[in-house]
Amino acid sequence: QKEVEQDPGPLSVPEGAIVSLNCTYSNSAFQYFMWYRQYSRKGPELLMYTYSSGNKEDGRFTAQVDKSSKYISLFIRDSQPSDSATYLCAMIGQAGTALIFGKGTTLSVSS
Amino acid sequence: EAGVTQFPSHSVIEKGQTVTLRCDPISGHDNLYWYRRVMGKEIKFLLHFVKESKQDESGMPNNRFLAERTGGTYSTLKVQPAELEDSGVYFCASSHSPGTGTNTEAFFGQGTRLTVV
Repeated sequence: QKEVEQDPGPLSVPEGAIVSLNCTYSNSAFQYFMWYRQYSRKGPELLMYTYSSGNKEDGRFTAQVDKSSKYISLFIRDSQPSDSATYLCAMIGQAGTALIFGKGTTLSVSS
Repeated sequence: EAGVTQFPSHSVIEKGQTVTLRCDPISGHDNLYWYRRVMGKEIKFLLHFVKESKQDESGMPNNRFLAERTGGTYSTLKVQPAELEDSGVYFCASSHSPGTGTNTEAFFGQGTRLTVV
């Protein structure tokens, strides 16, 4: 069983749709949960960062962590064509240690 | 502030040759990480430097891979001799250390796309 599972998609939605991206994980030691966005031929860029369980909101983006279910989500409201990218979940047990990534979900938002 | 810079952006080499990838982290970042993404797979950790010391090299695939971080500044990752399965995108990331009162976010470079033919 992989430590982090993420459906690679692709996921195609019309502009303005609400997007839900998800990851499950198996290691209960994970405490820090991140979502990275990666545009083609670029490096991953940190989008959202959550410590332990709960929700975090930043503009159109909301990250949710449910440690009891080992399940994390990223919601994108009012999706825009510029949101078209690969979204990677990542997690670590202790700050400063190596990131464990999911495969990434490729999102395409059409205008 | 300059970001994490990687050289070259793309390299095509023949099996058996040697390739050296370079990463210049953000100035002042003690932590430097190397990751690799093989086609169709997730990004996987290779190793972690704290300043010039190897903190964790558990992800290094085999002894054909050698990483150095001279004086705790830039880092190089050498593959010698390269094999077909070494093809992929190699990412470097850097961050401040925890407990320094600064943001410990890891910033990634754009990656080096290595193709071994």
